Amino acid sequence: GENVEQHPSTLSVQEGDSAVIKCTYSDSASNYFPWYKQELGKRPQLIIDIRSNVGEKKDQRIAVTLNKTAKHFSLHITETQPEDSAVYFCAAHNAGNMLTFGGGTRLMVKP
Amino acid sequence: SAVISQKPSRDICQRGTSLTIQCQVDSQVTMMFWYRQQPGQSLTLIATANQGSEATYESGFVIDKFPISRPNLTFSTLTVSNMSPEDSSIYLCSVVRRTSGGADTQYFGPGTRLTVL
Repeated sequence: GENVEQHPSTLSVQEGDSAVIKCTYSDSASNYFPWYKQELGKRPQLIIDIRSNVGEKKDQRIAVTLNKTAKHFSLHITETQPEDSAVYFCAAHNAGNMLTFGGGTRLMVKP
Repeated sequence: SAVISQKPSRDICQRGTSLTIQCQVDSQVTMMFWYRQQPGQSLTLIATANQGSEATYESGFVIDKFPISRPNLTFSTLTVSNMSPEDSSIYLCSVVRRTSGGADTQYFGPGTRLTVL
């Protein structure tokens, strides 16, 4: 089955700096890669996603890149703000409609 | 997005008892999923619940421990049976909804925080 590795597990940045979270996946058949943000005590919320026919996608301060050959994808947050502090999960989705999640990254943005 | 509600939002239970969690979606969906999130951990899929058929369980999860019902296309229940403290987790239901752009996207309910004493 699919295996998704996520790094780092914790990330601390200064407000205004950029943050990068990386994930690798094992199943070359996976074709959809969402990123979720989970604030303390809240449900995971989809923040951005990318499909296997695209190499990069951007939404304001958030961007995701995908390298299908290397089977890795990354989340980039620019100009970080304290409200970006949360746990971020990457996931890989295969044709069976199954999402496999990475272990999560706790991002802390220091004001 | 999908509007998903869960009941109860939290509960504290005694070991050996069972708890049934309800998940209601605002419109019909084919596939519903149940996840477990242990404290400080990622999300682990328990099972996929399809209407009109038996739920499909992931490795490490069995029907006797986590029976699931899916009586219609907007509702599902997950029961945590014969609970032990190790079952203390957040349980989340999730659905796949096709967006206006034609893409399937997965959304989560608010979760049920279960504490077993």
